Amino acid sequence: DADVTQTPRNRITKTGKRIMLECSQTKGHDRMYWYRQDPGLGLRLIYYSFDVKDINKGEISDGYSVSRQAQAKFSLSLESAIPNQTALYFCATSVDWDETQYFGPGTRLLVL
Amino acid sequence: GESVGLHLPTLSVQEGDNSIINCAYSNSASDYFIWYKQESGKGPQFIIDIRSNMDKRQGQRVTVLLNKTVKHLSLQIAATQPGDSAVYFCAESKAAGNKLTFGGGTRVLVKP
Repeated sequence: DADVTQTPRNRITKTGKRIMLECSQTKGHDRMYWYRQDPGLGLRLIYYSFDVKDINKGEISDGYSVSRQAQAKFSLSLESAIPNQTALYFCATSVDWDETQYFGPGTRLLVL
Repeated sequence: GESVGLHLPTLSVQEGDNSIINCAYSNSASDYFIWYKQESGKGPQFIIDIRSNMDKRQGQRVTVLLNKTVKHLSLQIAATQPGDSAVYFCAESKAAGNKLTFGGGTRVLVKP
């Protein structure tokens, strides 16, 4: 969905490096989410934010941090990347009264 | 624990036939269910959703059925087309939480 964009689309990094994945949305939604997808598995929630002042941990938040810079921007950071963080990362948004989530195109991350 | 899962990891369908994708859930408190389609290299795309006060909902060529008695959800695709080839995920949530729990996904392959 072009209304939700993610940068970069692909990233290769080395163990121990700090990296940031960014998400922007033009849908005007208050709620934003970061998910991780591994081969053969569904999406697992890392962090979510219901508005600019709200940050919540998901089921797999260890090793990650987030920042909600504005309603339209939600970034995910890996403070010290490790190989098992190699995965596909998706950002999603939803309105505060509707549970349908709209996903970005994903960022493919490889940690060597 | 709470989980959402799929019975069949891969489904091969002849073009023009109907497809049925199944999903089991274990959390009886879940009251919102959603199906997503994920094509290669893209983020999940909303297909159809259903709330627990319904047992059937229809969209364009798709129907979702919910059987709360056996905690089973299915997605039916009528007259399957090559463009329907993708991985399909079911997800569930409780209305108050607005956090989706995803199943592992089923790959649908449409044979010409």
